[in-house]
Amino acid sequence: KQEVTQIPAALSVPEGENLVLNCSFTDSAIYNLQWFRQDPGKGLTSLLLIQSSQREQTSGRLNASLDKSSGRSTLYIAASQPGDSATYLCAVNTGGTSYGKLTFGQGTILTVHP
Amino acid sequence: EAQVTQNPRYLITVTGKKLTVTCSQNMNHEYMSWYRQDPGLGLRQIYYSMNVEVTDKGDVPEGYKVSRKEKRNFPLILESPSPNQTSLYFCASSLGGSGAEAFFGQGTRLTVV
Repeated sequence: KQEVTQIPAALSVPEGENLVLNCSFTDSAIYNLQWFRQDPGKGLTSLLLIQSSQREQTSGRLNASLDKSSGRSTLYIAASQPGDSATYLCAVNTGGTSYGKLTFGQGTILTVHP
Repeated sequence: EAQVTQNPRYLITVTGKKLTVTCSQNMNHEYMSWYRQDPGLGLRQIYYSMNVEVTDKGDVPEGYKVSRKEKRNFPLILESPSPNQTSLYFCASSLGGSGAEAFFGQGTRLTVV
């Protein structure tokens, strides 16, 4: 059974810092991995999706990497801003007969203070 | 605008009173899912559907029903809600393929008293 772990559980940084959020998964036979952002009381917003054949994806100040063999993904946020404060979730799609099922980590609560 | 729409956003109900949470997507996606989010437990899949009339159980299906009569709609039905179904519910949809992102609705906060 796929299990996803995110470290750290919470992170508080001053504005302008570069930071790294970690995600690990137990079954390396994944289809893709997706990073989401969740604001309090809101839905999930997709940030980046990395297919199993890819090593990284970039969008603006965000860069996500994937190392399937070690079961790890990282989300790098450059020059953090207070507006980046949110919960960040990673989700793994194992595919196959379970395609469409995402297994989520518990999330990292990020606070960026001015 | 491409979106997944859930209704209602907030619902307080009493134990045993049947309810339906609707979910609709306008992106012609094949895959649709329901998740519940609980503190300390994260997001867990309840049911999913790979296409019209094709549904399957997720990790926590007990106490829930779904149907997929049309491609765009995937309602979640609680025949006899209980307090342990108090949770934040999300509907999601995606195309097939490894490059297909999952899109989520805004969530439905359900309280069963």
